[in-house]
Amino acid sequence: DTAVSQTPKYLVTQMGNDKSIKCEQNLGHDTMYWYKQDSKKFLKIMFSYNNKELIINETVPNRFSPKSPDKAHLNLHINSLELGDSAVYFCASSQAEHEQFFGPGTRLTVL
Amino acid sequence: AQSVTQLGSHVSVSEGALVLLRCNYSSSVPPYLFWYVQYPNQGLQLLLKYTTGATLVKGINGFEAEFKKSETSFHLTKPSAHMSDAAEYFCAVTLTGGFKTIFGAGTRLFVKA
Repeated sequence: DTAVSQTPKYLVTQMGNDKSIKCEQNLGHDTMYWYKQDSKKFLKIMFSYNNKELIINETVPNRFSPKSPDKAHLNLHINSLELGDSAVYFCASSQAEHEQFFGPGTRLTVL
Repeated sequence: AQSVTQLGSHVSVSEGALVLLRCNYSSSVPPYLFWYVQYPNQGLQLLLKYTTGATLVKGINGFEAEFKKSETSFHLTKPSAHMSDAAEYFCAVTLTGGFKTIFGAGTRLFVKA
């Protein structure tokens, strides 16, 4: 009965590779998010989708492309991975502007 | 533009002592205010929130926070710290009707035995 799930939990890859992270929520929420948390725990929003429509894109490089096939899923694809992409990526969901429910995170390490 | 400032990146208290984590925000309109907690290697989870109504809000694990509009503050308190409270705490602001939440930089709480 997991609320927000992400796969994989860990991702180790070489520079230049392409990778995807998947997110699913079973809360019936209409809004989903991707956040990046750096090594100093700073949490920065990357994207937000409401009813499958992109509504926030926070100056993220074009190498990052979110896709929302339906309201319950929001995936993140990253092309040409760079060292600076190493971080923990969190998916979250909410009902409009109310509290967000976070997934367990995906720790991405780029070598 | 919205912003959130958490005073003190690290706070250390003794077990049984008062916990006070400070949060100030700036917003052009009344926001929704949240405190989240993050335990090691986990996602964030909601501690408490203020939307409208009573300005003193109670959350899980004995935490509470008071919304003070005149001071644009939403400080988090707990009367008696427990070892299990050691974690990272984030204050967050969302504009009503908006989809963007701004998080503070976080405060790491250490609890000494």
